Amino acid sequence: DTGVSQDPRHKITKRGQNVTFRCDPISEHNRLYWYRQTLGQGPEFLTYFQNEAQLEKSRLLSDRFSAERPKGSFSTLEIQRTEQGDSAMYLCASSSGILTYEQYFGPGTRLTVT
Amino acid sequence: AQSVAQPEDQVNVAEGNPLTVKCTYSVSGNPYLFWYVQYPNRGLQFLLKYITGDNLVKGSYGFEAEFNKSQTSFHLKKPSALVSDSALYFCAVRETGFQKLVFGTGTRLLVSP
Repeated sequence: DTGVSQDPRHKITKRGQNVTFRCDPISEHNRLYWYRQTLGQGPEFLTYFQNEAQLEKSRLLSDRFSAERPKGSFSTLEIQRTEQGDSAMYLCASSSGILTYEQYFGPGTRLTVT
Repeated sequence: AQSVAQPEDQVNVAEGNPLTVKCTYSVSGNPYLFWYVQYPNRGLQFLLKYITGDNLVKGSYGFEAEFNKSQTSFHLKKPSALVSDSALYFCAVRETGFQKLVFGTGTRLLVSP
């Protein structure tokens, strides 16, 4: 399978704990995106990387959220001191560059904060 | 600010009939427009896009969409619906110069046998 992969697929955590999600983009895609989707809503943009540089960040990305993409390959999204409002599906997407406009999404990580 | 409206929460259509899922958008510059489909417990699958050129674009699984600049619309269409088309459909817009996609709230398509 050469699509975007995300790990874990499901995560249940207690309020106040830290969680980290991983995304592996399609091979050779240099652009990587994180979105959050809550029930009944469309995905909302969180952040964007071109190679290892984080170039766009949404105001949704509070100080408790941090994303990295070391060496421009896989990416991690960490949420510190989780809150119940963080419960959502976290989606990762990748794209190949200037001449390719569509983004290809992974299956998502469903986070439940109890 | 970019925005997308999908005015119908749900569209019901009988198998074999044509379907339309509506989308209107708002951007400051030229829009890049997309349709995605989401099946239960799955990620979003890309269907089609409008970047420039012909206003009628064709995509995967027999879907097509018509870009109308004067009405700022990008409605998704299919001549003959299949039961397997039942899913959640999202319209998205990207403004020139930005990377993020802005999505609508989604329209659930239900195709009955």
